[in-house]
Amino acid sequence: NAGVMQNPRHLVRRRGQEARLRCSPMKGHSHVYWYRQLPEEGLKFMVYLQKENIIDESGMPKERFSAEFPKEGPSILRIQQVVRGDSAAYFCASSPTGFSGYTFGSGTRLTVV
Amino acid sequence: GIQVEQSPPDLILQEGANSTLRCNFSDSVNNLQWFHQNPWGQLINLFYIPSGTKQNGRLSATTVATERYSLLYISSSQTTDSGVYFCAVGLEGAQKLVFGQGTRLTINP
Repeated sequence: NAGVMQNPRHLVRRRGQEARLRCSPMKGHSHVYWYRQLPEEGLKFMVYLQKENIIDESGMPKERFSAEFPKEGPSILRIQQVVRGDSAAYFCASSPTGFSGYTFGSGTRLTVV
Repeated sequence: GIQVEQSPPDLILQEGANSTLRCNFSDSVNNLQWFHQNPWGQLINLFYIPSGTKQNGRLSATTVATERYSLLYISSSQTTDSGVYFCAVGLEGAQKLVFGQGTRLTINP
């Protein structure tokens, strides 16, 4: 049973480009969460999704950021027109229904140059 | 919002030593997890422990929910234990986690 799979592991984008981060949850997990970690800091919640629904996006920046978890395929975190301040590690986690803790993926490290 | 404070912020020990990491939180929680972030950045789930005591090998954790703190014990430390240890809590009725700032543990050979 594979864990939470994130790709790519590393992503370099120039300012103004778009970044797409992918997350496939563990088999049987229907809840997906995205977190951002700035250098030397703890993780900050961004968004919580179930299949085809955004449940809580209270941590998402109001502009340029969006997330989806379609019926088929991975969850996508999309950042449009990236800026240097978007450089961070983005982690995805999943959990089953009947919550018993998260499992995190290995993260995507985004560098904006 | 809920506050999560971890102490100490940094800890440097020799191999073989024991350590205790503390996590205080400011509100009632329905989820508490301890994670280890290794030097390669991977987050490893150590314990899901909203209350009570659990043990896994050289690691154990205790959460006293009524007093709003949790402790992580590491015995007979090894160099591979180095990294940052995060405590994260979830609020009643919510599934998102609020992370502390972490304890950076360095185990020297």
